[in-house]
Amino acid sequence: DAGVIQSPRHEVTEMGQEVTLRCKPISGHDYLFWYRQTMMRGLELLIYFNNNVPIDDSGMPEDRFSAKMPNASFSTLKIQPSEPRDSAVYFCASGTGINNEQFFGPGTRLTVL
Amino acid sequence: AQSVTQPDIHITVSEGASLELRCNYSYGATPYLFWYVQSPGQGLQLLLKYFSGDTLVQGIKGFEAEFKRSQSSFNLRKPSVHWSDAAEYFCAVGANNGNKLVFGAGTILRVKS
Repeated sequence: DAGVIQSPRHEVTEMGQEVTLRCKPISGHDYLFWYRQTMMRGLELLIYFNNNVPIDDSGMPEDRFSAKMPNASFSTLKIQPSEPRDSAVYFCASGTGINNEQFFGPGTRLTVL
Repeated sequence: AQSVTQPDIHITVSEGASLELRCNYSYGATPYLFWYVQSPGQGLQLLLKYFSGDTLVQGIKGFEAEFKRSQSSFNLRKPSVHWSDAAEYFCAVGANNGNKLVFGAGTILRVKS
């Protein structure tokens, strides 16, 4: 069975541009999580969904960030406009909701110039 | 609120030596505990987990961890480290509000030959 799939794996963009990160969770998983990892702040939870509904977006840094989950097999994290301080690795993870276990994708390394 | 402390930012061990990575958590009830490993440029891979029962749990790659309620600890051990174990290791506790995980800051393991 395929794991969590993220695309693109690397993204380089210029400040002010829109960036869209994509995630396909493991089939059958009801929970989907978006994280950001930086050297300074470590691993931060941005938002998570249950059955395609956003449950907790308290980690979203500001209005420039938005996330959607239109169906059970696809989610996007959008940054508009992007800024250099958004440069980080963004991870998507999914889980069944049993015992908080989560499975991580390979991440998208975002560089904003 | 739940929290996880990994007191060692960096650890260096010789190949073949034993390893112990420390993890302390703060949580009011019986926690769900996890150890993840992240190799450079990769996502987080689940090493092992504790939900209940036997306090010594076995994981992949020859790792084990012991849950000690009296010390609020969940230390990760390996009897003989291999060069391929060089990576960053994260301890995490399952939060009781939703299915979130709270991660420690991570410990970077270096293996010298």
